[in-house]
Amino acid sequence: KNEVEQSPQNLTAQEGEFITINCSYSVGISALHWLQQHPGGGIVSLFMLSSGKKKHGRLIATINIQEKHSSLHITASHPRDSAVYICAGGLGGAQKLVFGQGTRLTINP
Amino acid sequence: GAGVSQSPRYKVAKRGQDVALRCDPISGHVSLFWYQQALGQGPEFLTYFQNEAQLDKSGLPSDRFFAERPEGSVSTLKIQRTQQEDSAVYLCASSFPGLAGVFTRETQYFGPGTRLLVL
Repeated sequence: KNEVEQSPQNLTAQEGEFITINCSYSVGISALHWLQQHPGGGIVSLFMLSSGKKKHGRLIATINIQEKHSSLHITASHPRDSAVYICAGGLGGAQKLVFGQGTRLTINP
Repeated sequence: GAGVSQSPRYKVAKRGQDVALRCDPISGHVSLFWYQQALGQGPEFLTYFQNEAQLDKSGLPSDRFFAERPEGSVSTLKIQRTQQEDSAVYLCASSFPGLAGVFTRETQYFGPGTRLLVL
């Protein structure tokens, strides 16, 4: 049972384009995490959201609690943004993470 | 330390061999999670500790998997009689709740992972 659904699975864009990755989640998830994973690299936490919107540099994350939907946006995308972006939901009191399938983003120069 | 560390970074084991994977969380972090990431897949939850107490082990795939955190800091994930399907990256993450013993939503900080290959 997938409690976190992410789309698209793969995304290729040109440098400078505005990027959107979407995530839907199920009942029981109380916080939504956006994570970045480079090939062969570890996972870096980008955002944790339980409401509203957060911004860090060129990255923006939004969440709509009523619709159980979150988006990650990248403005003025750059080749170094190429990575796998993972949406994960915090489940239960301990907030163990349930992960989406990931979006492989490739930004071409 | 500055971040979560894991050792070894790479481990090759023969089928049937026992392995032990170590996680050093960020100092003072109460919560510690283990996740398993198979090749090309997203991570999946294995187990969770709050201090030395293992509060959730629902994700451990079989009784060959065992985790401990005896002093509430370093944790070890042990896999007995390894099988080829155990080949994966094993990720450790830690977080610091606002008040010890009170569940809060906190960022999880991930280690670099241990890549296990069972031949």
